[in-house]
Amino acid sequence: AQSVAQPEDQVNVAEGNPLTVKCTYSVSGNPYLFWYVQYPNRGLQFLLKYITGDNLVKGSYGFEAEFNKSQTSFHLKKPSALVSDSALYFCAVRDFWMDSSYKLIFGSGTRLLVRP
Amino acid sequence: DADVTQTPRNRITKTGKRIMLECSQTKGHDRMYWYRQDPGLGLQLIYYSFDVKDINKGEISDGYSVSRQAQAKFSLSLESAIPNQTALYFCATGLAGVHEQFFGPGTRLTVL
Repeated sequence: AQSVAQPEDQVNVAEGNPLTVKCTYSVSGNPYLFWYVQYPNRGLQFLLKYITGDNLVKGSYGFEAEFNKSQTSFHLKKPSALVSDSALYFCAVRDFWMDSSYKLIFGSGTRLLVRP
Repeated sequence: DADVTQTPRNRITKTGKRIMLECSQTKGHDRMYWYRQDPGLGLQLIYYSFDVKDINKGEISDGYSVSRQAQAKFSLSLESAIPNQTALYFCATGLAGVHEQFFGPGTRLTVL
């Protein structure tokens, strides 16, 4: 079965410093990987996805993610963190489920706290 | 995402009560999903629907039922609520050929 793991419950970083939120995956076949962000009292917002192509994927709000097949990782990164980036981040993998149907398998989430 | 709305946003109910959570979307998507979020567990799929006549159980469907009244509406019911159904519930939409899903703002449900 497909799965994703987010090994850190919380990541703390100072504003202006680079940030990394880690995600590893386990899939059979080619992975379809996603990052979502959840702000307080809001739904999940799509940040970026990897389907195929370049290993470095650029997304919304200056975020990017690096797909590493050999390490089965899809870490979320940003060169310079903002206090407003503080939120809950979810990694997800697409799980094919009978023909063309599919669902998203989510990690447990990582809380990012950016200090002023 | 304002294109996916959920009502109510917050609900407190008592054990044994029937409750319905509603989801509407103006995105024109054919696929709709219900997830629940518990702290430290990420999101778990309850039910999903690929069109009005297609309803499928997810990972944790026990104790829940759904109705797809129209392409734009997908409701989740708890026939007899129990305290361990206290959670944050999200509706999401999707489109064939588009890989990501789009989420509503969530409904916080508390069962006393």
